[in-house]
Amino acid sequence: EVQLVESGGGLVQPGGSLRLSCAASGFTFSSYWMSWVRQAPGKGLEWVANIKQDGSEKYYVDSVKGRFTISRDNAKNSLYLQMNSLRAEDTAVYYCARGDMITFGGVIVSYAFDIWGQGTMVTVSS
Amino acid sequence: SYVLTQPPSVSVAPGKTARITCGGNNIGSKSVHWYQQKPGQAPVLVIYYDSDRPSGIPERFSGSNSGNTATLTISRVEAGDEADYYCQVWDSSSDHRGVFGGGTKLTVL
Repeated sequence: EVQLVESGGGLVQPGGSLRLSCAASGFTFSSYWMSWVRQAPGKGLEWVANIKQDGSEKYYVDSVKGRFTISRDNAKNSLYLQMNSLRAEDTAVYYCARGDMITFGGVIVSYAFDIWGQGTMVTVSS
Repeated sequence: SYVLTQPPSVSVAPGKTARITCGGNNIGSKSVHWYQQKPGQAPVLVIYYDSDRPSGIPERFSGSNSGNTATLTISRVEAGDEADYYCQVWDSSSDHRGVFGGGTKLTVL
């Protein structure tokens, strides 16, 4: 069974740090782009970051650039999100998602999130 | 930055057809993906690349995309289809990023 399981969420003070993990199983993890998507309480979905199969390309939403770092360990079938300088507006459920994509000339032209984890809650509050 | 616009809510009677729109500048030139999210659950991909259905998604779900509007159509609506639906594209025009619409709450009357 294809599965993604997130962990590492919790309550953290503004300015603090947290590292989220996502354990993948049931598919060849190293063959896929992976992503983080978040959802603030009562709000819609927001894409956060993507990482290429070998970690050589990474993309971030503007609001987290310089604060969040996406990484992966293909030997451990795991995806990570290191979150620093956390703000109240980062409070959300964070989902790990697998990417299904089309490229043209090495550039991503379409990217869908075809498998999702159950999410982990991050609360930034004093 | 690229913006996707969805109606906040759509209501439909059981057995009827629901249509949820997603507006964007020349969205017909992009591939659109649709997700269903029920309360307290993770999103599920129901349509990708405008009109393809992932394995396990009923044929009642279909999609189209042309001009400035993409549409998710749910035929013979059932009570279990009540959920939030989100459209999504990848914007590679200026900066590489994923873009979601604001979501549409589908209510089955």
